[in-house]
Amino acid sequence: AQKVTQAQTEISVVEKEDVTLDCVYETRDTTYYLFWYKQPPSGELVFLIRRNSFDEQNEISGRYSWNFQKSTSSFNFTITASQVVDSAVYFCALSEVGFGNEKLTFGTGTRLTIIP
Amino acid sequence: NAGVTQTPKFQVLKTGQSMTLQCAQDMNHEYMSWYRQDPGMGLRLIHYSVGAGITDQGEVPNGYNVSRSTTEDFPLRLLSAAPSQTSVYFCASSPSDRLPLAEQYFGPGTRLTVT
Repeated sequence: AQKVTQAQTEISVVEKEDVTLDCVYETRDTTYYLFWYKQPPSGELVFLIRRNSFDEQNEISGRYSWNFQKSTSSFNFTITASQVVDSAVYFCALSEVGFGNEKLTFGTGTRLTIIP
Repeated sequence: NAGVTQTPKFQVLKTGQSMTLQCAQDMNHEYMSWYRQDPGMGLRLIHYSVGAGITDQGEVPNGYNVSRSTTEDFPLRLLSAAPSQTSVYFCASSPSDRLPLAEQYFGPGTRLTVT
């Protein structure tokens, strides 16, 4: 069965520091998709990134970057020069391709607090 | 586009009452789903639909019913509310469940309290 582990329940950093959110996953499939979502204090879920298992290139989007390593089954998320607006709960999620979206499994989330 | 809309935003029920959480999307998405979010447990899939007239169970379907008579609407019915169903409920949609998988678009959520 697929599983997503976000071992960091809560993280607090001072503004402008860099922070990395860890995500470790388990799956028996060779083809799968990984996602990161952000849930700000207002409560909505905001899509950040999608990555398929055949694309191990790291991705950078502004201050955000993602490090996908199949060898360690990890898909970590780094925020550079953090800002107060980055305060949110961040969820990592995994979908096995054979079943489509109905098998989207979320981690328990990491609550990130940026201290001004 | 309004995206994914959910009503109501907040609801308080007594044990045993029934109600329907509404979800609608205006993006012509085939795939829709319902999740519940509980503290420390992430989001768990309740039911999903891959198109009008087709629904299936997710991870935690007990106590909930769904139907999909149109592409736009996907209501979630609580048959006989229980305190264990106190949660935040999210509806989501995506273009389809076929490859390449697209991200899901989430509604703003419904906070339900059952006393």
